[in-house]
Amino acid sequence: GAVVSQHPSRVICKSGTSVKIECRSLDFQATTMFWYRQFPKQSLMLMATSNEGSKATYEQGVEKDKFLINHASLTLSTLTVTSAHPEDSSFYICSANRLPGPAAYEQYFGPGTRLTVT
Amino acid sequence: SQQGEEDPQALSIQEGENATMNCSYKTSINNLQWYRQNSGRGLVHLILIRSNEREKHSGRLRVTLDTSKKSSSLLITASRAADTASYFCATDGVGGSNYKLTFGKGTLLTVNP
Repeated sequence: GAVVSQHPSRVICKSGTSVKIECRSLDFQATTMFWYRQFPKQSLMLMATSNEGSKATYEQGVEKDKFLINHASLTLSTLTVTSAHPEDSSFYICSANRLPGPAAYEQYFGPGTRLTVT
Repeated sequence: SQQGEEDPQALSIQEGENATMNCSYKTSINNLQWYRQNSGRGLVHLILIRSNEREKHSGRLRVTLDTSKKSSSLLITASRAADTASYFCATDGVGGSNYKLTFGKGTLLTVNP
């Protein structure tokens, strides 16, 4: 149990376009989902925390208008990278807390999405 | 900001040898976890150690935690080529940030066959 999926696994888009990444908890309900960004050979940096039905909380330095997060249900959160630029190319990973929660150590991670902006 | 710092940043060993990776952190924690990440893939949870624990074992993994030094170590015994991956520690903190995980910079382990 506690499987988190992401779609797509890889995406290539042109500069100026927007791309949406989905994060789904497949066999559990998630009160909280987290979005991370990882540059090559670096660690995961938390971008934002999203709670179902409320606005996401963004980490310092993360542009909320550029990285739109929607947590519409207890099993789905989406991250939309708007007006993408090459510097947005990165590996995006989501994680989810299982109900009841949230306890940080109970995060289950998705397999990641590789975004390449040309 | 990054809480954890792993060292070494990279470690290369021969199959069968033991691998030790260290993690230091700065603030008080509730728990410390270790994760593995194969290249270009998601995270695999390895082991969690609570702040009131000093040592924990899971198969070939041994984790220690020294809260007085704010450090942890991960020992992989009898390493295998399949252990080749990046290893990260992650902490969740006491107080307002206790729902967030903060990751260290990671150690890239290469196990040569």
